[in-house]
Amino acid sequence: SQTIHQWPATLVQPVGSPLSLECTVEGTSNPNLYWYRQAAGRGLQLLFYSVGIGQISSEVPQNLSASRPQDRQFILSSKKLLLSDSGFYLCAWSFGSGTDTQYFGPGTRLTVL
Amino acid sequence: EDQVTQSPEALRLQEGESSSLNCSYTVSGLRGLFWYRQDPGKGPEFLFTLYSAGEEKEKERLKATLTKKESFLHITAPKPEDSATYLCAVQRGAAGNKLTFGGGTRVLVKP
Repeated sequence: SQTIHQWPATLVQPVGSPLSLECTVEGTSNPNLYWYRQAAGRGLQLLFYSVGIGQISSEVPQNLSASRPQDRQFILSSKKLLLSDSGFYLCAWSFGSGTDTQYFGPGTRLTVL
Repeated sequence: EDQVTQSPEALRLQEGESSSLNCSYTVSGLRGLFWYRQDPGKGPEFLFTLYSAGEEKEKERLKATLTKKESFLHITAPKPEDSATYLCAVQRGAAGNKLTFGGGTRVLVKP
């Protein structure tokens, strides 16, 4: 069976500091990978998605970037955090072909102070 | 632009009191409609995928239905453990695997 991991679970960072959130998937090959952000009381907003190593599509122009250095690893980064970057960050995966369902990880709660 | 609107925003139920959640959508070429359950501080948990109008799916006390403009999630005789936020999302046929989510409905079931 497939499992998805995210870390850290929680993070408190000062404004202007860098960010690196990591997501890994086990039990499948060549998954599609996604980063979402969920602000307090709001729905999920797709930030980035990737269909393969080094292939990243950005949905929202912002202070964040994503990378996929390995098949089952997805990283969300920022060089300088803003207050508005606070939120709940969720990584998700889906099979590369066929089934469209996205499966979510446990999330990272980021607070920028 | 794809749009998903969920109502009500919040729902308080007594244990055993059945109710329905609504998900209205506007999308060009629906490929699939998804329902997820999200507990506080956790990632969404997949419940159902519906692909065409008239389709229905059930899981324990939950039943999801789909029309050309909306989807309903029926909760029959809910229990306190059904308390959660329920999220609806749509996928457009020409948009790859991208999902557009609604704002969710927070359900609280009191014993």
